[in-house]
Amino acid sequence: AQKITQTQPGMFVQEKEAVTLDCTYDTSDPSYGLFWYKQPSSGEMIFLIYQGSYDQQNATEGRYSLNFQKARKSANLVISASQLGDSAMYFCAMRGLRNTPLVFGKGTRLSVIA
Amino acid sequence: DVKVTQSSRYLVKRTGEKVFLECVQDMDHENMFWYRQDPGLGLRLIYFSYDVKMKEKGDIPEGYSVSREKKERFSLILESASTNQTSMYLCASSQGTGENEKLFFGSGTQLSVL
Repeated sequence: AQKITQTQPGMFVQEKEAVTLDCTYDTSDPSYGLFWYKQPSSGEMIFLIYQGSYDQQNATEGRYSLNFQKARKSANLVISASQLGDSAMYFCAMRGLRNTPLVFGKGTRLSVIA
Repeated sequence: DVKVTQSSRYLVKRTGEKVFLECVQDMDHENMFWYRQDPGLGLRLIYFSYDVKMKEKGDIPEGYSVSREKKERFSLILESASTNQTSMYLCASSQGTGENEKLFFGSGTQLSVL
């Protein structure tokens, strides 16, 4: 079974600064995928970034990058140059082999301060 | 763009009522999922379906059932609503089941059971 741990219930960051949201995972599958989603106050889940376990390079999507450390089983999300619109809940998730559904962490609420 | 539509954004029901939450996707996706989201608990999987008329239990299926008579529609049923089912319900869909298959979410239904 897969498990995702997000240890930061809430985070604050100054506008224009970078912030790292932590995510560790546990799985026995040899191959797996890691995802980050953003949930603004409107409620809809927005896909941000994906990292495959065999990808050689860390994934990047605009201001989002994923700091993937396979040996440590961590997949931290880095947001550069924070904006007020980045204030939201952020969820880390993973999927392993055998057609397993996506498993989510408990989330981190990020607040960006002007 | 994929669109996943949940029939109600807010719903208020009484204890013991039978409740139907409807979800429709317009991109011919094979797979559909129901999650519930509670503060501090993240997203937990209730039921999912990889094909029409097929269903699989997730992590917390007790008190719920589902129906998938057509590919595009996946209904969540609360046979006899209870106050502990007050929650945000999120429907999602995906095309495949590979490790990199991301989920597309609806806007959610905030259900209050009084």
